[in-house]
Amino acid sequence: AQSVTQPDIHITVSEGASLELRCNYSYGATPYLFWYVQSPGQGLQLLLKYFSGDTLVQGIKGFEAEFKRSQSSFNLRKPSVHWSDAAEYFCAVGVYDMRFGAGTRLTVKP
Amino acid sequence: DVKVTQSSRYLVKRTGEKVFLECVQDMDHENMFWYRQDPGLGLRLIYFSYDVKMKEKGDIPEGYSVSREKKERFSLILESASTNQTSMYLCASIWGAQGNEQFFGPGTRLTVL
Repeated sequence: AQSVTQPDIHITVSEGASLELRCNYSYGATPYLFWYVQSPGQGLQLLLKYFSGDTLVQGIKGFEAEFKRSQSSFNLRKPSVHWSDAAEYFCAVGVYDMRFGAGTRLTVKP
Repeated sequence: DVKVTQSSRYLVKRTGEKVFLECVQDMDHENMFWYRQDPGLGLRLIYFSYDVKMKEKGDIPEGYSVSREKKERFSLILESASTNQTSMYLCASIWGAQGNEQFFGPGTRLTVL
């Protein structure tokens, strides 16, 4: 069965610092992988997705993620965090019926 | 832009009541989904539908049912609401399959007293 693990429940970074959010997945075939962001009081917005090809994918708002099959990981990164990035981030896997991780809440310190 | 709307942003019901949560999408998407979102648990799939009158159970269907009489509308039904169904409910729709982006509604925060 497909599943997603986000090991970090809450991360705090300083504005301008780099960010990496971890995601590990379990899936029987080639996975379709996604990162979504949910700002306070808002719906979920797609940041980026991976299907195949280049294992480093670029998304919106300056985010990128790297697919590593050997580690079953799809970590999200940003070189310099902005205060507006404070939100909850969800990793998801699936072809049709997706499964989401528990989420990582990001706090940005001034 | 794709728009997914949910009938209520906030809802308060009493234990034992029958509750209807409505979701409408305006982009002719075949597939629609209901999730519940709880702190520390993320989004969990309750039911999904890949066509009118078709439905499939997700991971936590117990205590819920769904209805899809029209392509644009997908309803989640709590036959007899219980306090452990207090949660945020999110509806989503998607065009086709093969890992396309899901578009989410704003959510309905349901409180069962």
